Amino acid sequence: GAGVSQTPSNKVTEKGKYVELRCDPISGHTALYWYRQSLGQGPEFLIYFQGTGAADDSGLPNDRFFAVRPEGSVSTLKIQRTERGDSAVYLCASSLGAGEREAFFGQGTRLTVV
Amino acid sequence: RKEVEQDPGPFNVPEGATVAFNCTYSNSASQSFFWYRQDCRKEPKLLMSVYSSGNEDGRFTAQLNRASQYISLLIRDSKLSDSATYLCVVNIGTDKLIFGTGTRLQVFP
Repeated sequence: GAGVSQTPSNKVTEKGKYVELRCDPISGHTALYWYRQSLGQGPEFLIYFQGTGAADDSGLPNDRFFAVRPEGSVSTLKIQRTERGDSAVYLCASSLGAGEREAFFGQGTRLTVV
Repeated sequence: RKEVEQDPGPFNVPEGATVAFNCTYSNSASQSFFWYRQDCRKEPKLLMSVYSSGNEDGRFTAQLNRASQYISLLIRDSKLSDSATYLCVVNIGTDKLIFGTGTRLQVFP
């Protein structure tokens, strides 16, 4: 399909483990966002890429969270030493970039830390 | 104070009713504004952008008051299919989109 693709759709991991969440944006979209959404809350901003560089990573909660986008397309969100509080739906969105404001979301990765 | 605040609801309204949602934002430098819709266990999708002059898309009308830092969404002639969570979204610059908690709407027959 032509939409934003996120894998895996569900991930269950044990406390303390490392996880990687992948986002494949819409082809040609230079802007890519990661959000985290807990039950009953709106999406919480984590990080925004313009091309390969992180234009704003002020939403990453601590140094256990890291994201990369090495070729300006696919992005990976990495979480080290997972905690139960990290359990949430992680949403990725992409847009055509600065000046084009509509962001298209993937269906998210539901992360459960047990 | 949250950057974008919304009444979480739920708003329970009968089919055909008119319902209005409000949203306030704290950053006076905010540049653009949107309403997104999110169905249960689905991803958010853009409903409409919000312009200073106000704008309408069918049964939906959005208004922006920059002086009061207030955004509204009006839905006329509610349909069962309008049941969803409506997210107020603000671009505070650097293309960073900040979402409100969302307002839940339930339309009943």
